[in-house]
Amino acid sequence: DTGVSQNPRHKITKRGQNVTFRCDPISEHNRLYWYRQTLGQGPEFLTYFQNEAQLEKSRLLSDRFSAERPKGSFSTLEIQRTEQGDSAMYLCASSLSQPNQPQHFGDGTRLSIL
Amino acid sequence: GDSVTQMEGPVTLSEEAFLTINCTYTATGYPSLFWYVQYPGEGLQLLLKATKADDKGSNKGFEATYRKETTSFHLEKGSVQVSDSAVYFCALRNFGNEKLTFGTGTRLTIIP
Repeated sequence: DTGVSQNPRHKITKRGQNVTFRCDPISEHNRLYWYRQTLGQGPEFLTYFQNEAQLEKSRLLSDRFSAERPKGSFSTLEIQRTEQGDSAMYLCASSLSQPNQPQHFGDGTRLSIL
Repeated sequence: GDSVTQMEGPVTLSEEAFLTINCTYTATGYPSLFWYVQYPGEGLQLLLKATKADDKGSNKGFEATYRKETTSFHLEKGSVQVSDSAVYFCALRNFGNEKLTFGTGTRLTIIP
């Protein structure tokens, strides 16, 4: 069990640029989740996949955000035309699909918008 | 909608003190309840969980009991250590729903 891996750990970019983050889940986990955490707050759900299918999206996920999991393994989260308010920690988690299985989190990608 | 309310921090205690971090929830249905811990510079780690009323989750000396009548899941530890310094998050997952709903977190600092 190598854990959930997220890259990069930190991303600094100018407002208006596009950014992409990657998440590699625990290998046998077929569910993958994205959350966003702003300073002083708990994580907020963005979206989740079962295998390659995106099954739920939060209304927090505006049109500028897109997530993919093309082969049911790693996932990418892209933010287009970044805004100041996108500055946050983006967390990825994975789990098995059986009932009551816990979600295992990665260390996150911290995004800073200049 | 579902929500979790946590005791506001920060909380500072001396080593070997008794710890309680309060957590109450609002949810339709029958949620599972969790405590996650985030050590400095690290990701969230599951500390303990309970999936039905009156269940007690425990791990590393921490305990929490699922109280349906008071919609609470308070975290307790009898004797804290400096290494317990971290941010603690209470969370719920409602039945038939995959997303976790988190509280705002409680920062705990233990001084020697």
